[in-house]
Amino acid sequence: SQTIHQWPATLVQPVGSPLSLECTVEGTSNPNLYWYRQAAGRGLQLLFYSVGIGQISSEVPQNLSASRPQDRQFILSSKKLLLSDSGFYLCAWNQGIRNTEAFFGQGTRLTVV
Amino acid sequence: AQKVTQAQTEISVVEKEDVTLDCVYETRDTTYYLFWYKQPPSGELVFLIRRNSFDEQNEISGRYSWNFQKSTSSFNFTITASQVVDSAVYFCALSNTGNQFYFGTGTSLTVIP
Repeated sequence: SQTIHQWPATLVQPVGSPLSLECTVEGTSNPNLYWYRQAAGRGLQLLFYSVGIGQISSEVPQNLSASRPQDRQFILSSKKLLLSDSGFYLCAWNQGIRNTEAFFGQGTRLTVV
Repeated sequence: AQKVTQAQTEISVVEKEDVTLDCVYETRDTTYYLFWYKQPPSGELVFLIRRNSFDEQNEISGRYSWNFQKSTSSFNFTITASQVVDSAVYFCALSNTGNQFYFGTGTSLTVIP
């Protein structure tokens, strides 16, 4: 069966510090991968999605970047965090060919102080 | 452009009452997919149902039922005999052939015992 792992679960970082959130999927190959952000009390905003290694599409210009160094690994990064980067970050995957449902990781709650 | 609207921000019901969560979508694609997700307090999004644009048949799963009507671009979700465990934020989402997921802003449901 397929599983998705996302870590860390919570993170408190000072303004100006770097960020690296990691997401890995097991039990499948060539998945579509997604990073979403959920601000407090609001909906999900698509940040990045990837249909293959090294292929990243950005939905919103911002202080963040994403990379996909391996087929089932998706990394969200920032060189210098801003207060506005605080939020709940969710990684997700799906088998895109058939427009299947997306499965989500448990999320990372990031607080920038 | 793709858009999902969940006009109900918050709903409170007393346990055992029925409740309907509304979802209205916009798309110019003829092939698309609709989803409902549940987000309990833990934060992880749990997949509930997927519907493609060619299947307007309503679906029932236990206390959950979904009403898909292309004529009104709606995909509403009804919980019958609500329970406290149903308290969560519910998201409706739309996916097109590009495999991007567009989420509504969510409806926060509170079931009062």
